[in-house]
Amino acid sequence: AQSVSQHNHHVILSEAASLELGCNYSYGGTVNLFWYVQYPGQHLQLLLKYFSGDPLVKGIKGFEAEFIKSKFSFNLRKPSVQWSDTAEYFCAVNPRGSQGNLIFGKGTKLSVKP
Amino acid sequence: EADIYQTPRYLVIGTGKKITLECSQTMGHDKMYWYQQDPGMELHLIHYSYGVNSTEKGDLSSESTVSRIRTEHFPLTLESARPSHTSQYLCASKHRNLGATEAFFGQGTRLTVV
Repeated sequence: AQSVSQHNHHVILSEAASLELGCNYSYGGTVNLFWYVQYPGQHLQLLLKYFSGDPLVKGIKGFEAEFIKSKFSFNLRKPSVQWSDTAEYFCAVNPRGSQGNLIFGKGTKLSVKP
Repeated sequence: EADIYQTPRYLVIGTGKKITLECSQTMGHDKMYWYQQDPGMELHLIHYSYGVNSTEKGDLSSESTVSRIRTEHFPLTLESARPSHTSQYLCASKHRNLGATEAFFGQGTRLTVV
C-alpha cells in the first residue's frame, strides 16, 4: 500500500537553528508532493508543492523542499527557524491518476524555543 | 485565505446520538474530502466526492455517511455516535485536476463522544 513516512515525531530547536524534516513515500509512479503546516488552533495550510520541473521548490515563509526521485524523498528545510514556525508539519503525496486523493504522513511537531 | 468552513468546531455528545458535521466551500470546487485525524497520527481519508451526487468511501473504513446534493456542501453524518468515533474530522476541497492543484482545508471539527 502507498504510504508516507515522516521520520521525526517531535523536533525541538532554538531560534536561528536550521531545520530539516524528512519525508519519504512509497509509490513507484509519478507523484505530486506537498508540505502542509498547521499552526496551533488553525487549519491546515499549504506550505509548498511540487508537481514538475525544478526539484528544489520554494514555499512561503522561507521554507524550501527538495524532491529526490531516486530516494523517494521530499525533505523540508529552512535555514533559520523562528519562534513563529512552531507548528505541526505534514508531508502529503498525491499519486498521479489517483483522482487527487492525498496520502499524508503522521506529521512532525516542531517546537521552536525563543 | 481559503473559503471552506466547518461547523461546529467542537462537539461533545452522548453515545447513541445522531450528529451531522457541516462543511461548506465557496470556491466552486468539484472535489471534496473528509479526513479523520487522531493525535499523533496521519490524516486518513474516509470519504470523497467528485461532484454533485458523487460519493465514495476512502481508505479508512468509517461508519459515517456523506451526501453531496449541492456543489458547495458536503455534510458528514453519524447515525449513532460511539466513543470510538471520538476524533478530529477535517474537510477539504480542490479543483479538478486541470493541471495539479492543492487541497484547501477547513479548521476541523473536534468530536468527543461520551
